[in-house]
Amino acid sequence: GDSVTQMEGPVTLSEEAFLTINCTYTATGYPSLFWYVQYPGEGLQLLLKATKADDKGSNKGFEATYRKETTSFHLEKGSVQVSDSAVYFCALINAGNMLTFGGGTRLMVKP
Amino acid sequence: DTGVSQNPRHKITKRGQNVTFRCDPISEHNRLYWYRQTLGQGPEFLTYFQNEAQLEKSRLLSDRFSAERPKGSFSTLEIQRTEQGDSAMYLCASSPWDRGSNTEAFFGQGTRLTVV
Repeated sequence: GDSVTQMEGPVTLSEEAFLTINCTYTATGYPSLFWYVQYPGEGLQLLLKATKADDKGSNKGFEATYRKETTSFHLEKGSVQVSDSAVYFCALINAGNMLTFGGGTRLMVKP
Repeated sequence: DTGVSQNPRHKITKRGQNVTFRCDPISEHNRLYWYRQTLGQGPEFLTYFQNEAQLEKSRLLSDRFSAERPKGSFSTLEIQRTEQGDSAMYLCASSPWDRGSNTEAFFGQGTRLTVV
């Protein structure tokens, strides 16, 4: 079946550092890929998405490119802020079914 | 529309008791999903509905779990004879599914269940 693998956290960075959170997936067909974010005490929020190969999703300074050749969807941000501290989940939807999530990566940004 | 609403936000129950959670999806979203999330893990799929039809159930959904969406609007998730292992955050999501599309889901705040 479909699966998503994320780098384990926590990832601890200083403010204004560069962020990369790795995500790879296994799926047949042509899934859509997503990054969700969960801030402390809040529900899951969609951060960005990409629906086909080579698409780049972007939002709030975060970017991720759908790489079919490497089955990856790594999340990047050029300069993180303390307010970016949260848990980030990579996910996919395949064949119009349900979301399959990775295990999540906790990001902690220190001032 | 204020988004997906889940009630209650927190529930503490004694082992062996039954509990029921409610989810109100975004209006006109035909798909409704239930997930379970334990501490430090990603959400795990439980079941989903398209309108009132329950289309798929995970193997995680034991016989003690039942979900309904009687009129294709709100949904309930019931857990009978709760066990300590049922302690988790139960998440509901909805989406405006269309044939051939992989539309993202919108999540509620979740119901945190603690079984003591």
